[in-house]
Amino acid sequence: DAKTTQPPSMDCAEGRAANLPCNHSTISGNEYVYWYRQIHSQGPQYIIHGLKNNETNEMASLIITEDRKSSTLILPHATLRDTAVYYCIVRPPWGGGNKLTFGTGTQLKVEL
Amino acid sequence: DAGITQSPRHKVTETGTPVTLRCHQTENHRYMYWYRQDPGHGLRLIHYSYGVKDTDKGEVSDGYSVSRSKTEDFLLTLESATSSQTSVYFCAISESEALADTQYFGPGTRLTVL
Repeated sequence: DAKTTQPPSMDCAEGRAANLPCNHSTISGNEYVYWYRQIHSQGPQYIIHGLKNNETNEMASLIITEDRKSSTLILPHATLRDTAVYYCIVRPPWGGGNKLTFGTGTQLKVEL
Repeated sequence: DAGITQSPRHKVTETGTPVTLRCHQTENHRYMYWYRQDPGHGLRLIHYSYGVKDTDKGEVSDGYSVSRSKTEDFLLTLESATSSQTSVYFCAISESEALADTQYFGPGTRLTVL
């Protein structure tokens, strides 16, 4: 399985963009990059996913490098409610029941 | 939010007692999962189900069993609870096994084994 590397923690000022990096240098050609987040004491929440093109939805943007070895999750205008642990996950190939392998993620703290 | 509930939300039990956690969904999704979350380990998959009566093991399945007799319910049983099974347990669902599919998580059950 491809593994991911994320910084353990980041800070961001409220209203500014939060850019969360992820390295996945051993990603396979058919593996997607997923981002989830977990607000304290709650279940993980899906944010966005992509294969090789940049993606945007109402929550965030996902920028994947051309070689697909790294990606960045962008929260364009972070708020205090975005304080959470953010997980970058690379989906294993088809099979294995769609399981997700969570690492330890990045603790994002949004401050006034 | 996806219609996923877990019960109980909190439970304290003693070593050696059986414990059953329930996950209930109203989305009619085919796949259901049980994860546990412990400090320093992130979330780890215990068991998953790909249909009624169809289940398989995850990475930390020892000491746990599961059952799925209806699409909407996925039960996790600790036959004889141990202190190492003190954890927060999350249920998740997904519609398919497709690479582009996403999982939706329940609110969690905090289990303490004394």
